[in-house]
Formats: sequence, C-alpha cells, structure tokens
Amino acid sequence: GDSVTQMEGPVTLSEEAFLTINCTYTATGYPSLFWYVQYPGEGLQLLLKATKADDKGSNKGFEATYRKETTSFHLEKGSVQVSDSAVYFCALSDPYSGAGSYQLTFGKGTKLSVIP
Amino acid sequence: GAGVSQSPSNKVTEKGKDVELRCDPISGHTALYWYRQSLGQGLEFLIYFQGNSAPDKSGLPSDRFSAERTGGSVSTLTIQRTQQEDSAVYLCASSLGSDYSVHEQFFGPGTRLTVL
Repeated sequence: GDSVTQMEGPVTLSEEAFLTINCTYTATGYPSLFWYVQYPGEGLQLLLKATKADDKGSNKGFEATYRKETTSFHLEKGSVQVSDSAVYFCALSDPYSGAGSYQLTFGKGTKLSVIP
Repeated sequence: GAGVSQSPSNKVTEKGKDVELRCDPISGHTALYWYRQSLGQGLEFLIYFQGNSAPDKSGLPSDRFSAERTGGSVSTLTIQRTQQEDSAVYLCASSLGSDYSVHEQFFGPGTRLTVL
C-alpha cells in the first residue's frame, strides 16, 4: 500500500537557520503531495501542496518540490522563526490506488523547535 | 466562515463503555473524513463519506468502530466497548468534494479520547 516516510524528530534550530525536513513516498498511482502543520494547541492546517511532478508548492516562506524520479517532497525554509515551531506532517492522496477515495496517508510527523 | 467543529473536545471513559464523537463539517462540503492520531501509530485514516455514496470504511480498525452521516452533513463516530488502545485524538476533516483538484481537506480541532 501507499506510505510516507519522513525524517524523525525532534529538530531544534536557532532562529534564522535553514530548515530541511525530508519526505519520501511510495504510491500505487500518481499522488498529490502535501505538507500539513500542527501548531501547539491547534488543529492540522494545510501548509502547501503539489499535484504533479516538478510542481513547487510554497507558502509562508516554506517550499517543497514534487520529485517523481526520487519519490520525494522535501520541505525547506531559508530562515526559520520562533513562530514556525510546530509539528510538520508530509502526506499524500492517491485516488488511483484502488480504494476509490481521497484519504490522506501521513508520515509520522516531525517536531520542529526554533529557539531565539 | 465557520470551520470544522468537533464535540466533545475531551472525553474520558471507562473501558467497556460506548462513546459517540460528533463532527460538523464546513457548510457545503460534501466529503467528510475521520482520522485517528495516536502516539504509536501517527495519523491513520478511518472512514470517508462522499455525498450519498456508500462510505469507504477500509480504515476502521475493528467492528467496534462505526460511523454515520445524517443528511449529508453532521457525522457521528461511535466506538463500542472501548479499549485502552482506543485512546487517541480523533480528527474530522471535510472537503468540497472528491474532485481531484479541489480535495483540500480542512481539519477540525479533534476530540481527545482517554479510556481508563
């Protein structure tokens, strides 16, 4: 079945440091890829998405590029802030997997802490 | 506008009791999902409703779990004879539909279930 693997956390960075959170996937069909973020005490929010190969999703200074050849969707940000401290989830939706629905398959999540 | 709401926000129950968790999706969203977030398993898909179609129950972990969606809107997830391993945060999400290009899912704040 489909699966998502993302780097284990927690990750602790100083403010203005460069962030990379690795994400790779396996899928039966041609999935859409997502990054969701969960801030402390809040619900899951969509951060960015990409629906086809070589698409770049971006939002709030975060970027991720859909790389079909390496089955990856790594999250990057050039300069993190304390307010970016959260748990980040990589996910895919594969409507052609045979299940017939659009449920999200999530990675385990990576907790990011940014210190001043 | 209003987002996805869930009730109760917290539920503590004794092993063997039945519980009902409620989800109110965003108005006009035809697709509704339930997920479970637990420490050991991460985020797991449970069940999916789309309009009047038969639900996709492929993620339900046992026959103690069931869900219904009345009038294409509110959904209730029922867990019978709860076990300690059912302790988790239960998340509901809704989306405009199952169309490939508009299936961004919006998540509710979750119900934290604790089974003693």
